[in-house]
Amino acid sequence: GDSVTQMEGPVTLSEEAFLTINCTYTATGYPSLFWYVQYPGEGLQLLLKATKADDKGSNKGFEATYRKETTSFHLEKGSVQVSDSAVYFCARGADRGSTLGRLYFGRGTQLTVWP
Amino acid sequence: DVKVTQSSRYLVKRTGEKVFLECVQDMDHENMFWYRQDPGLGLRLIYFSYDVKMKEKGDIPEGYSVSREKKERFSLILESASTNQTSMYLCASIRRDSPHQPQHFGDGTRLSIL
Repeated sequence: GDSVTQMEGPVTLSEEAFLTINCTYTATGYPSLFWYVQYPGEGLQLLLKATKADDKGSNKGFEATYRKETTSFHLEKGSVQVSDSAVYFCARGADRGSTLGRLYFGRGTQLTVWP
Repeated sequence: DVKVTQSSRYLVKRTGEKVFLECVQDMDHENMFWYRQDPGLGLRLIYFSYDVKMKEKGDIPEGYSVSREKKERFSLILESASTNQTSMYLCASIRRDSPHQPQHFGDGTRLSIL
């Protein structure tokens, strides 16, 4: 099965609405977890990360907490803006002990925010 | 700042052509990766390399090959392009001693095969 499962989109919200994009993972041990964002016509940018259990990553008003008990890393933002419209990817890093640094991605969630 | 540069943002080729996609990074990273991105499928790993002249197959290597003659450059080759290889291609790199840190991505090449 997939290593990373994220909420399917598209997600459409009004400005200032609350956003949650769910993400769960499967792994051996406790890999690093990431959220990447892709704005229209661009490559992927790192949005936030967490490298161990209970870590909270945050950036640009977005947050995600590494929950080992539920193997989850849900992305949240309290008040979205039109400029947040993008595709969001959840990813997990390699299993501990690997030196290759490969990532396993979810399928992406398209977010559209209307004014 | 790490810079990963892909040679073309948009590329149009014909079925059967040999296609080269180039990627260069300027931070002396050992590990480099090629992904393709398709709607609803996320990013899928095609090939990766952890050193000069070293390569490993990813999850979807069929129809592709790669070349890593210099540390900074990692090329993806479509030996005989087909229409089902129309996609967005993304290159990434990371230091070998930081495998649990985020990868750095280029802006992508949107390839159309006619």
